[in-house]
Amino acid sequence: DVKVTQSSRYLVKRTGEKVFLECVQDMDHENMFWYRQDPGLGLRLIYFSYDVKMKEKGDIPEGYSVSREKKERFSLILESASTNQTSMYLCASSSGQGPHEQYFGPGTRLTVT
Amino acid sequence: GQSLEQPSEVTAVEGAIVQINCTYQTSGFYGLSWYQQHDGGAPTFLSYNALDGLEETGRFSSFLSRSDSYGYLLLQELQMKDSASYFCAVRRNTGKLIFGQGTTLQVKP
Repeated sequence: DVKVTQSSRYLVKRTGEKVFLECVQDMDHENMFWYRQDPGLGLRLIYFSYDVKMKEKGDIPEGYSVSREKKERFSLILESASTNQTSMYLCASSSGQGPHEQYFGPGTRLTVT
Repeated sequence: GQSLEQPSEVTAVEGAIVQINCTYQTSGFYGLSWYQQHDGGAPTFLSYNALDGLEETGRFSSFLSRSDSYGYLLLQELQMKDSASYFCAVRRNTGKLIFGQGTTLQVKP
């Protein structure tokens, strides 16, 4: 079974703090993704990566950056957290041949106060 | 631009059949995926259609018509545990998925 884990289930941070969200997958998947999920808006893609050290912007990259130094790990960084970044953050991975079949982690509910 | 439309809520009774529709407008269309998400849980992959027609996986089936930019998820013999949100997602030729806003299915006894 594919397992995608995220570093925290719940996180509370203050405005202006730098926030790191970590994601690890154990299936040697090439692709990794970061989404945020807000009520009524579905899942929106922040960043994705097709390979180590590669990253591409998704639909809402502003205020975020990512890092992929190892194939199994994909980090999302909020350089200076703001209240409008309060959300559920979901990490996902997929094989190179099957980007339509993504495996999701349990999510991190981030609250910025 | 790109957009996906699916109903926000659907209600059905246990044992019934329900169909959740999805219409899309996007460039670089490659295929349509469906995901299920229970309250508080992670989305899980259900099915994928790259070609026109029906794909069946147990009680769930998914249909695609590329010419109509339309697809649906069909759930048969509904069970209480099927109460969840269901998302359609367009796979683009870039490999990205664009998700719809989700349909909340409530199954009643």
